[in-house]
Amino acid sequence: AQKVTQAQTEISVVEKEDVTLDCVYETRDTTYYLFWYKQPPSGELVFLIRRNSFDEQNEISGRYSWNFQKSTSSFNFTITASQVVDSAVYFCALSSTYNTDKLIFGTGTRLQVFP
Amino acid sequence: DTEVTQTPKHLVMGMTNKKSLKCEQHMGHRAMYWYKQKAKKPPELMFVYSYEKLSINESVPSRFSPECPNSSLLNLHLHALQPEDSALYLCASRGRGGPVNEQFFGPGTRLTVL
Repeated sequence: AQKVTQAQTEISVVEKEDVTLDCVYETRDTTYYLFWYKQPPSGELVFLIRRNSFDEQNEISGRYSWNFQKSTSSFNFTITASQVVDSAVYFCALSSTYNTDKLIFGTGTRLQVFP
Repeated sequence: DTEVTQTPKHLVMGMTNKKSLKCEQHMGHRAMYWYKQKAKKPPELMFVYSYEKLSINESVPSRFSPECPNSSLLNLHLHALQPEDSALYLCASRGRGGPVNEQFFGPGTRLTVL
């Protein structure tokens, strides 16, 4: 069975703080894909990153960085120097290479950044 | 154009009404999706169309009827809905062929069933 766990339901930080959102996944597939999406209050899910299970390199994009560790089945997301505009619900998701149409979402982490 | 559009943005309907949600993309994507999202929950997959054919129906009640008239359009026809069907309905699209690509989501339609 496939499962994504985002244990942090809600996180509150003050602007300029760094924050890490945790994502732990379970799958029996040898190859799979991991995703992060951001959902601001407007409702649209915004794609942030896709990671292939073969590629364990960490990635940085501006203030965002992702740490993929296959050994611990984790794909954590760090926002450096958070801003109010980062306030949103963040979803981690998993898909199998055998069924790429089905995204298994975690329950989401609501991030609130206060000025 | 990396945009998925959805209309209407908000919809209020009675349980006896018939209405439709519309989704459009012009990215040449050949897979399109309908999701339902309740408050404080992740999106739940409802239907997948691949090359304009229904490929996945996640045991959705027949009061929801999807339609894919062409590769750019996806509709969701609603009839005899229940108040518990009130939710945010999200449409997404994805490219086919080549490496796996991410799904692009529209802004959603907030549906209220009275």
